[in-house]
Amino acid sequence: DQQVKQNSPSLSVQEGRISILNCDYTNSMFDYFLWYKKYPAEGPTFLISISSIKDKNEDGRFTVFLNKSAKHLSLHIVPSQPGDSAVYFCAASRGYNFNKFYFGSGTKLNVKP
Amino acid sequence: GAGVSQSPSNKVTEKGKDVELRCDPISGHTALYWYRQRLGQGLEFLIYFQGNSAPDKSGLPSDRFSAERTGESVSTLTIQRTQQEDSAVYLCASSPRGLSSPLHFGNGTRLTVT
Repeated sequence: DQQVKQNSPSLSVQEGRISILNCDYTNSMFDYFLWYKKYPAEGPTFLISISSIKDKNEDGRFTVFLNKSAKHLSLHIVPSQPGDSAVYFCAASRGYNFNKFYFGSGTKLNVKP
Repeated sequence: GAGVSQSPSNKVTEKGKDVELRCDPISGHTALYWYRQRLGQGLEFLIYFQGNSAPDKSGLPSDRFSAERTGESVSTLTIQRTQQEDSAVYLCASSPRGLSSPLHFGNGTRLTVT
């Protein structure tokens, strides 16, 4: 039973344009959400997070939006750069304590020069 | 500062053999997690340790899998009588104490069972 879903396995975007990666979750108790980026042969690296008390968090070119009623979050990258090409995972957890983080299956982003 | 270190980076083993994977978390991180990523799939939770509390083993796929952690330091994941379906990248992550903190991952151990 996958509680965090990324329905797009891949996304291709032109350099300079916006990349939008989507993530849906089923557990309404989740209140902390994260995005990770993963290059081949490396572990995932933390990108940006958002707690359920917010609906938007921005860090440079990266913005995460949270729609709690739709149980949906998205990551926007503007402008996209070729170095952003990687697999992006969204993750969610419940509670402000140490808990399991549930990960989506990832979306492979390809930014074309 | 050193990140999460995993060894070996690659392991090829014959079906039926036991393997042991090691993880050195970031110093001071009290939480330690093991995840598995099979080819083309997402990260699958296996087990997590938090300080001296009983570990959450709910993600271990079978009793062939076990993990230990010494205090707040090194952890080992042991897979007994390996099967081909155990082939995956095994990722370790650690996290500091405190309010919700992101996980810091190692580069993983790629396990291939032949």
